[in-house]
Amino acid sequence: DTGVSQDPRHKITKRGQNVTFRCDPISEHNRLYWYRQTLGQGPEFLTYFQNEAQLEKSRLLSDRFSAERPKGSFSTLEIQRTEQGDSAMYLCASSLMTAEAFFGQGTRLTVV
Amino acid sequence: AQSVTQPDIHITVSEGASLELRCNYSYGATPYLFWYVQSPGQGLQLLLKYFSGDTLVQGIKGFEAEFKRSQSSFNLRKPSVHWSDAAEYFCAVPTNFGNEKLTFGTGTRLTIIP
Repeated sequence: DTGVSQDPRHKITKRGQNVTFRCDPISEHNRLYWYRQTLGQGPEFLTYFQNEAQLEKSRLLSDRFSAERPKGSFSTLEIQRTEQGDSAMYLCASSLMTAEAFFGQGTRLTVV
Repeated sequence: AQSVTQPDIHITVSEGASLELRCNYSYGATPYLFWYVQSPGQGLQLLLKYFSGDTLVQGIKGFEAEFKRSQSSFNLRKPSVHWSDAAEYFCAVPTNFGNEKLTFGTGTRLTIIP
C-alpha cells in the first residue's frame, strides 16, 4: 500500500486549455474526495465519490469542472477552458468509512 | 454549519521550546476533530484525531491535542519543537455526519528559529 497517489504533481497550462488530473486512492478505499487549496487557505471541498457514484458536488465546481471515477477505482478531475483563477493545489483523499481521510501529495496547477 | 477557526495565522517558536496551536470549532453534535500538517508543496498528513473517549489524544511526531467541550477547542501541543516541525497546520471537522468530507480552518504557519 503506497497511499494516495496523484499525477501529475505539477502542471503549467495556458489559459483556455483543458487539463486532467488523476488520483489513485488506497486500494480498498471506497470513498474518494477532491479538494482545492489556494495560497494561504485551507483545502475546500469540491466533490465526493462513493465507489463509482458521485454523491456530492460543491458550488465551487463550475460547469467547466468534471470528475469521474469509473469502476470505483481511480478518479480523474478535468478542468475545461482553464482560467487564471483555477490556479491552485488540487488534493485528492480517500477513506474506508472510518471517518479518517488520507490525502495524496496534490497536483499544483498554474494557469498562465 | 460546521466551522473551524484557527486564530493564529503565523507563529514563530524557538527550537526546543513548547508549542500550542489553537483551534476552535462550531459543531452541532459531539464532533470528530482532526489535525493535519502540510509541508511546503506537499499534501496533508494526519497528525491526530479525536473521535470519543479520552479527551487528550496522542499523535505522531510527538504531538498531542486536548478536546475541551466547554471551550469548543481542540488545541495542538508539543513540548519541544524541532526544526523539522516547520510547516502549515490545519484543524478540521467533518462537514456532515456520515462521511469524511472535511471543513478546514485557514491554517497556522509555524516557523522555527534556531
